[in-house]
Amino acid sequence: AQTVTQSQPEMSVQEAETVTLSCTYDTSESDYYLFWYKQPPSRQMILVIRQEAYKQQNATENRFSVNFQKAAKSFSLKISDSQLGDAAMYFCAYLKNTGNQFYFGTGTSLTVIP
Amino acid sequence: GAGVSQSPRYKVAKRGQDVALRCDPISGHVSLFWYQQALGQGPEFLTYFQNEAQLDKSGLPSDRFFAERPEGSVSTLKIQRTQQEDSAVYLCASTSPIGGKTQYFGPGTRLLVL
Repeated sequence: AQTVTQSQPEMSVQEAETVTLSCTYDTSESDYYLFWYKQPPSRQMILVIRQEAYKQQNATENRFSVNFQKAAKSFSLKISDSQLGDAAMYFCAYLKNTGNQFYFGTGTSLTVIP
Repeated sequence: GAGVSQSPRYKVAKRGQDVALRCDPISGHVSLFWYQQALGQGPEFLTYFQNEAQLDKSGLPSDRFFAERPEGSVSTLKIQRTQQEDSAVYLCASTSPIGGKTQYFGPGTRLLVL
């Protein structure tokens, strides 16, 4: 079974600083997708970034980037120039290419300190 | 609509009551998913539809949970004889029919069973 582990229940960062959220996963598949979702207190899950496992290049979306280490099964999210609006729960998720259900980690609560 | 919508946003039920939760996916999205998110946890998969066909219901926790999507658009998750352990946020998601791997989530329905 696929499992996703987020070992940091809570993180904090000063506004304008950089923070990295960790995620590891366990799978025997070679073709899959990884996602980071943000869930603000309003509870609407919003896609932050996604990575296809077959791509060696790390995905980036503006201030958000990932460090994808396939051999180590690690998928960390880096948020640069943190803003107050980045405060939320962040979930790492795994999707097998031939599958349909997402497997989520338990989340990391990010606080941004003004 | 512009996004996935869910109703009601909040539901309080007495133990033993039946509840029905509604999901309107993004227009044109053929795949629809239901997840259960317990407090402080990541979402867990319940069931998956492609159009009106329920292709995977492996995550439904008991036979008290039933989902349908009769016309391939709106879906309803029904919970019969609710129990306190059913208290959670129920999330609905849909994916684009064109190369869709990213799931777009609704705001969820928070169910509290007393």
